[in-house]
Amino acid sequence: EVQLVESGGGLVQPGGSLRLSCAASGFPVSSNYMNWVRQAPGKGLEWLSIIYTGGSTYYADSVKGRFTIARDSSKNTLYLQMNSLRAEDTAVYFCARDEPRAMGYAMDVWGQGTPVTVSS
Amino acid sequence: QSALTQPASVSGSPGQSITISCTATSSDVGGYNFVSWYQHHPGKAPKLMIYDVSSRPSGVSDRFSGSKSGNTASLTISGLQAEDESDYYCSSLTRNNTLLFGGGTKLTVL
Repeated sequence: EVQLVESGGGLVQPGGSLRLSCAASGFPVSSNYMNWVRQAPGKGLEWLSIIYTGGSTYYADSVKGRFTIARDSSKNTLYLQMNSLRAEDTAVYFCARDEPRAMGYAMDVWGQGTPVTVSS
Repeated sequence: QSALTQPASVSGSPGQSITISCTATSSDVGGYNFVSWYQHHPGKAPKLMIYDVSSRPSGVSDRFSGSKSGNTASLTISGLQAEDESDYYCSSLTRNNTLLFGGGTKLTVL
């Protein structure tokens, strides 16, 4: 079964760091474009980052320079390293796989989400 | 403010058809040929309904269809059902290889 399971969320102080993990099963993360998306309380979806099969990465302006997307093929896991966290980073964070047949970004498999709260 | 503008809410009765629009207000989205639509029930994972403007993933009901005219993409749901009540988001690839989401539309089935 194709599945994504996020972990690593929690409470962190402003300025702190957190690393989210997204364990994949049923497909290799290295063979698919993989994304991170978040939803802040009462807000809409916000795309954060993507990593291509070749390793290229792209980020939303809101997290560029603070967040880093990466993957470990041996563990079949996607990561999001989040530094210099701010209150506005409080959200539920989702990892998602890109639909292989799509020409543009289109996320067909999603994790259940992991909550991150940035507060003192 | 999102560069993809959606109506905040739409409503319809069971059996009717409704259309949700998504208008690109920024040239960042380029040719606007890579629009996707997601259904999102709060507390659950979003579900891909349409990709590349009008392609439907396997398993998605053919009551859902997508189209585009100029800088406005649309999601049409025909034969509205109670289970369709949800939040819907459009998204588009940008010239910078990033992704933008619309602000979301709350669909109410009356």
